[in-house]
Amino acid sequence: GDSVTQMEGPVTLSEEAFLTINCTYTATGYPSLFWYVQYPGEGLQLLLKATKADDKGSNKGFEATYRKETTSFHLEKGSVQVSDSAVYFCALSVNAGGTSYGKLTFGQGTILTVHP
Amino acid sequence: DTAVSQTPKYLVTQMGNDKSIKCEQNLGHDTMYWYKQDSKKFLKIMFSYNNKELIINETVPNRFSPKSPDKAHLNLHINSLELGDSAVYFCASSHLGRGGNIQYFGAGTRLSVL
Repeated sequence: GDSVTQMEGPVTLSEEAFLTINCTYTATGYPSLFWYVQYPGEGLQLLLKATKADDKGSNKGFEATYRKETTSFHLEKGSVQVSDSAVYFCALSVNAGGTSYGKLTFGQGTILTVHP
Repeated sequence: DTAVSQTPKYLVTQMGNDKSIKCEQNLGHDTMYWYKQDSKKFLKIMFSYNNKELIINETVPNRFSPKSPDKAHLNLHINSLELGDSAVYFCASSHLGRGGNIQYFGAGTRLSVL
């Protein structure tokens, strides 16, 4: 079945540090890939997405590139801020018909804490 | 104007009770979902409805019964609540098959079964 594996957290960084959160996936079919962010006490918000191989998603200084050859979608940010502290989820959705069509399969989430 | 709204935000109840969680979306989407987030933050799909028809039904106890009266609403009824049902339940919606199926989430309902 489809699955997503994220790097273990929690991740603790100082402000302005470089961030990488690794994400790899296995999927049947041709997935779209997503990063969602969950701030404390809130629901999930889409951070960025990529729908085909070599696409780069970007938003708010975060980037991730859809790498089909390595089945990866690693999240990066050059300079994190305290306000980036949240839980980050990598997810996939398979773009084909069938009983799994449309569902998001999530990684286990990575807690990021940024200190001033 | 909240795009996906869930009520209630918090729900505390006793084992054995029956409870419902409501979800409404005003985005004009054709598909709605219920996800469960456990205490370790892990998220898993429970159900999905497309145009009021059930299209995804993961391995969920039949004590959980979703109901979609129209495309804008997907409610979740839970019978005979158990301690293990304690979790945060998220509703989401999307246009199935468009733009990679971006899903928009509600703020969640934190269910505590005592």
